[in-house]
Amino acid sequence: NAGVTQTPKFRILKIGQSMTLQCTQDMNHNYMYWYRQDPGMGLKLIYYSVGAGITDKGEVPNGYNVSRSTTEDFPLRLELAAPSQTSVYFCASRPGQGAASSPLHFGNGTRLTVT
Amino acid sequence: LAKTTQPISMDSYEGQEVNITCSHNNIATNDYITWYQQFPSQGPRFIIQGYKTKVTNEVASLFIPADRKSSTLSLPRVSLSDTAVYYCLVGGQSSARQLTFGSGTQLTVLP
Repeated sequence: NAGVTQTPKFRILKIGQSMTLQCTQDMNHNYMYWYRQDPGMGLKLIYYSVGAGITDKGEVPNGYNVSRSTTEDFPLRLELAAPSQTSVYFCASRPGQGAASSPLHFGNGTRLTVT
Repeated sequence: LAKTTQPISMDSYEGQEVNITCSHNNIATNDYITWYQQFPSQGPRFIIQGYKTKVTNEVASLFIPADRKSSTLSLPRVSLSDTAVYYCLVGGQSSARQLTFGSGTQLTVLP
């Protein structure tokens, strides 16, 4: 099992550009999450999904969009990149309903710089 | 959503036992307490999880008092490689959907 895979590992964007951060998991987990982590800070929840076709906002959703067409994939879209979105982005998953005590499995992150 | 409070930083020496306490006053009945470890440039990694009393695994122990309003992560005989940020996370059946992290505790182990 690869676990949670994020691509790309690094990306530099110019202000106003758009991009999609990819996240896929091969553990058949229902719940998936996107977090951002600014330097020296904790993780902030951007969006989460409890299953295919279902997504909801977290603490800091502005400037981002997500979709969940399959159980495996949970891409994060930045439409108009801004310097404030410079951060490290982590995707995570867990089994979900019926396994509420199960821990999160994290990917290795995508380091994004917007200049 | 249960909010957590932890010390911002702690220092220790190699070979000592380290205890990190997390406060979660509004924990819900169905919530579990989970601790994660994060090294620089990596995603958080699961350490231990518990619901009440004491849980022990090969790397740590977790102590949870009867009122469950706090929890203590105990790392026995720390080494330099235990230098990391430690996060306490509270969630469960009632809040399974949103899992929000606190600020974490930066543990620095000194030689």
